[in-house]
Amino acid sequence: AQKVTQAQTEISVVEKEDVTLDCVYETRDTTYYLFWYKQPPSGELVFLIRRNSFDEQNEISGRYSWNFQKSTSSFNFTITASQVVDSAVYFCALSVPSGGYQKVTFGIGTKLQVIP
Amino acid sequence: DADVTQTPRNRITKTGKRIMLECSQTKGHDRMYWYRQDPGLGLRLIYYSFDVKDINKGEISDGYSVSRQAQAKFSLSLESAIPNQTALYFCATSDRTSPKADTQYFGPGTRLTVL
Repeated sequence: AQKVTQAQTEISVVEKEDVTLDCVYETRDTTYYLFWYKQPPSGELVFLIRRNSFDEQNEISGRYSWNFQKSTSSFNFTITASQVVDSAVYFCALSVPSGGYQKVTFGIGTKLQVIP
Repeated sequence: DADVTQTPRNRITKTGKRIMLECSQTKGHDRMYWYRQDPGLGLRLIYYSFDVKDINKGEISDGYSVSRQAQAKFSLSLESAIPNQTALYFCATSDRTSPKADTQYFGPGTRLTVL
């Protein structure tokens, strides 16, 4: 069975601080994909990043960066110089092959509040 | 225009009523999904469809039914709504032929309240 753990349910930071959102996953599959989604207060789910299990390179996109470590089954997300617009719930997700489709398991989300 | 749209965006109904939530997409994706989101539980899959003739139950399909009227349309029905179906419902799509076939793109969500 697959599992995604986001141990931080809520985080508050002051604007311009850096913040890291943790994600730990469990799967026996050797091929899988990891994702981060952002859910702003308006409610929609915004795709941020996809990473496959064979690519452990870290990725940076502007103020966002992701650290994938298979050795610790973690896929952490760092926001540098946080801004108020970063306030949202962030979901980590794991996708594995299952009966012809990719079964996606979501974490419960981390609510980030960036205080001006 | 949004690639994945959901109607209605908000709905309040009473116990026992039949409710239909609709999802349309212009992404040309073949696969569509319905999820519900509850606080503290993340997103859980209700139904998914690979194409018009291929519909499958997800982990929490009891009390729900779906219809894939066309490749671009996927509706979720609550035959007899009950209060514990109060949740935020999301439609999602993915493209089997894409190099990122495993990536799902979500609609804006429908907030359903059952009184």
